[in-house]
Amino acid sequence: DGGITQSPKYLFRKEGQNVTLSCEQNLNHDAMYWYRQDPGQGLRLIYYSQIVNDFQKGDIAEGYSVSREKKESFPLTVTSAQKNPTAFYLCASAAGTSVETQYFGPGTRLLVL
Amino acid sequence: SQQGEEDPQALSIQEGENATMNCSYKTSINNLQWYRQNSGRGLVHLILIRSNEREKHSGRLRVTLDTSKKSSSLLITASRAADTASYFCATVPKGGYNKLIFGAGTRLAVHP
Repeated sequence: DGGITQSPKYLFRKEGQNVTLSCEQNLNHDAMYWYRQDPGQGLRLIYYSQIVNDFQKGDIAEGYSVSREKKESFPLTVTSAQKNPTAFYLCASAAGTSVETQYFGPGTRLLVL
Repeated sequence: SQQGEEDPQALSIQEGENATMNCSYKTSINNLQWYRQNSGRGLVHLILIRSNEREKHSGRLRVTLDTSKKSSSLLITASRAADTASYFCATVPKGGYNKLIFGAGTRLAVHP
């Protein structure tokens, strides 16, 4: 069963805490992305990766960090420097740099306690 | 800033009616895509139209692109209650990497 999985579905963060959101894909896609969605808004790009061991900042990278040690995995860490982390986080993948269609995971909702 | 802006922000129709959503963007593009999002879920790709195309069909979906006006429209014909969702346009800017720039979306409600 191919696709993108994200976990957990809901995540609670305490003040000063770093939390990591998981994103895994078995589509053999080269490119992976992290987006943030706020209520009633579109998606904003946080980080993206075209290839293993390489990633670039998107439009709102401050307070976030990523790694791409394996082709199928692209975890996102929301650090304590991100002062307004409450949002819906979506991970996506695409087959390559010239392929336009992105495939999205089901999302993780992050809430601050 | 957001590249795409959808219009209207919200649309409420009856089953069987057609739904039209519009998208405007600011810079030259390689292609424009439409995605659908059910409440609290991920996005699903619907259709892609390239900058050299003017119209594209997929089932009950019809997309048009007017690059001179930097605008696109998505038409859903014979709508069903199951079409209730948010619809987003996303552009891939010309000369850029495969980065999608999303608008804020149109929330469509189809009533039985």
